[in-house]
Amino acid sequence: GAGVSQSPRYKVAKRGQDVALRCDPISGHVSLFWYQQALGQGPEFLTYFQNEAQLDKSGLPSDRFFAERPEGSVSTLKIQRTQQEDSAVYLCASSLPLVLTDTQYFGPGTRLTVL
Amino acid sequence: AQTVTQSQPEMSVQEAETVTLSCTYDTSESDYYLFWYKQPPSRQMILVIRQEAYKQQNATENRFSVNFQKAAKSFSLKISDSQLGDAAMYFCAYIYNNNDMRFGAGTRLTVKP
Repeated sequence: GAGVSQSPRYKVAKRGQDVALRCDPISGHVSLFWYQQALGQGPEFLTYFQNEAQLDKSGLPSDRFFAERPEGSVSTLKIQRTQQEDSAVYLCASSLPLVLTDTQYFGPGTRLTVL
Repeated sequence: AQTVTQSQPEMSVQEAETVTLSCTYDTSESDYYLFWYKQPPSRQMILVIRQEAYKQQNATENRFSVNFQKAAKSFSLKISDSQLGDAAMYFCAYIYNNNDMRFGAGTRLTVKP
């Protein structure tokens, strides 16, 4: 596709509900990243995939957060038993090569609001 | 730990004028990469410019240029001939040879007509 797409753009969840956020990276991009962006802050790293392998999940804030990329393209970030502090914009980014320092291209994000 | 600091929460510039956004970072590494990203109200982060630390020459992309001072760990962004469409949040970011891109807190740029 032309760019990274994410769905849904907005999600409202009741506390305790499970949510799933989808990311479609740019076609052919090997690397995929998830970030969490709190209101008024810069994005913070959550996790990283190289193809289908999750190579780093050190940024995931708790074991309620789970990400997968089973076929090396589309990725899903799942949050179980959502809490109010999970409210944020979740950004996905992808990059082409195996070089981690190359440019990351971002999607529009999913704004999650937990009531 | 690597940290990125943007000391200007908000900046304002008159259309057609020049503005400089500041960024400092903390690292013990010698070879790394720095980026400026723009995030308009639509929320999609767009790469503005990137700089490899091993390059002494400052990066330039049309109206956007950087002043990279490696010893001072400073990486400022200069926007020349500011346009209304430049209004956005600007984030400075750092990445070394790992998966963790570190972002500053951002600077909100307003462009006055």
